[in-house]
Amino acid sequence: DTAVSQTPKYLVTQMGNDKSIKCEQNLGHDTMYWYKQDSKKFLKIMFSYNNKELIINETVPNRFSPKSPDKAHLNLHINSLELGDSAVYFCASSLPLAGGRYEETQYFGPGTRLLVL
Amino acid sequence: DAKTTQPNSMESNEEEPVHLPCNHSTISGTDYIHWYRQLPSQGPEYVIHGLTSNVNNRMASLAIAEDRKSSTLILHRATLRDAAVYYCILSKLIFGTGTRLQVFP
Repeated sequence: DTAVSQTPKYLVTQMGNDKSIKCEQNLGHDTMYWYKQDSKKFLKIMFSYNNKELIINETVPNRFSPKSPDKAHLNLHINSLELGDSAVYFCASSLPLAGGRYEETQYFGPGTRLLVL
Repeated sequence: DAKTTQPNSMESNEEEPVHLPCNHSTISGTDYIHWYRQLPSQGPEYVIHGLTSNVNNRMASLAIAEDRKSSTLILHRATLRDAAVYYCILSKLIFGTGTRLQVFP
């Protein structure tokens, strides 16, 4: 039973293309996240959604658009892919935030390795 | 935002205890201290978290300084499977570069 799953696991594409990464969690969590981990292994939060509503957007280019069709899914669509978008993207989920503070444990997916050529 | 500082790397022998330090001198009074670890080619995995008191679970122990400006993750008996990057983060979801733990047989 996979708690947080992502598809695809690997994604190789050309510069300028548009691609999507899907994330699903079966933990019943209300809050979901997208992180980017670059080649230096620095893990940085991109977005957070709570019950389908955007609550964090960390100065990510407009080419990145998260979409949450329901609280179990948070997909990431990327337009006009650039070389610098090559990274590993992790989805995560947690219980609802308590008073706006992030003290809840996050559960991460296995990651999607994106390579832009 | 409060940040954390960790050593880049540490080494241990198998079955020895490991103490992984983390400094968070600008921590706020309500920030929780979380530890995650990331095994090679996997997503981060929750290890332990705490607020003020020391915490124990089946994976590790967390010792929090009285002034909360530092904490230490304790692996009581390191195994080869504990080789990973260990991240100490506060409640603001900011991951640093972590500590790469190498465990030798």
